[in-house]
Amino acid sequence: DVKVTQSSRYLVKRTGEKVFLECVQDMDHENMFWYRQDPGLGLRLIYFSYDVKMKEKGDIPEGYSVSREKKERFSLILESASTNQTSMYLCASRVQGFQPQHFGDGTRLSIL
Amino acid sequence: QQQVKQSPQSLIVQKGGISIINCAYENTAFDYFPWYQQFPGKGPALLIAIRPDVSEKKEGRFTISFNKSAKQFSLHIMDSQPGDSATYFCAASISNFGNEKLTFGTGTRLTIIP
Repeated sequence: DVKVTQSSRYLVKRTGEKVFLECVQDMDHENMFWYRQDPGLGLRLIYFSYDVKMKEKGDIPEGYSVSREKKERFSLILESASTNQTSMYLCASRVQGFQPQHFGDGTRLSIL
Repeated sequence: QQQVKQSPQSLIVQKGGISIINCAYENTAFDYFPWYQQFPGKGPALLIAIRPDVSEKKEGRFTISFNKSAKQFSLHIMDSQPGDSATYFCAASISNFGNEKLTFGTGTRLTIIP
């Protein structure tokens, strides 16, 4: 079974802090994704990576950056956290192509 | 700009009934349409998917109906069960040499009552 592990289930940070969300997958998948999920807005793509050191902006990249130094790990970075970044963050991975995305269980991030 | 519009936002269906969730899209270049199911506290998981060369795909009690001319697709859950209570997301993507990304709808919270 594919396993996508997000480092924290819940996280509380303060405005202005630099925040790191980590995601690890164990299936040697090429593609990895970061989404945020908000009520009434569904899942919105922040960034995705189609291979190591490769990244592409999604629909809402402002205020975020990513890092993928190893194939199994994809990090989301909030450069200077703001209250409007309070949300559920979901990581996913996939082999290339029209294949299922496998999601982690999410990190609920609160910015105070 | 919301490229995939999903309705209803919430749905209550009696056990044994048919649950229907609808999605509409604007971009005619979309060529892959999956549905994801999400239980509370879990990430979404692929339920069923369709390509636009067929008008219907069935897997057990779950059916996708696809209307290319109307740019609409829907999920039908037959004989709905309490275990089907979850949030459902439709999605769409465009072929991109293996690097496809999904555009999700806003989700439908389905509740099946006994």
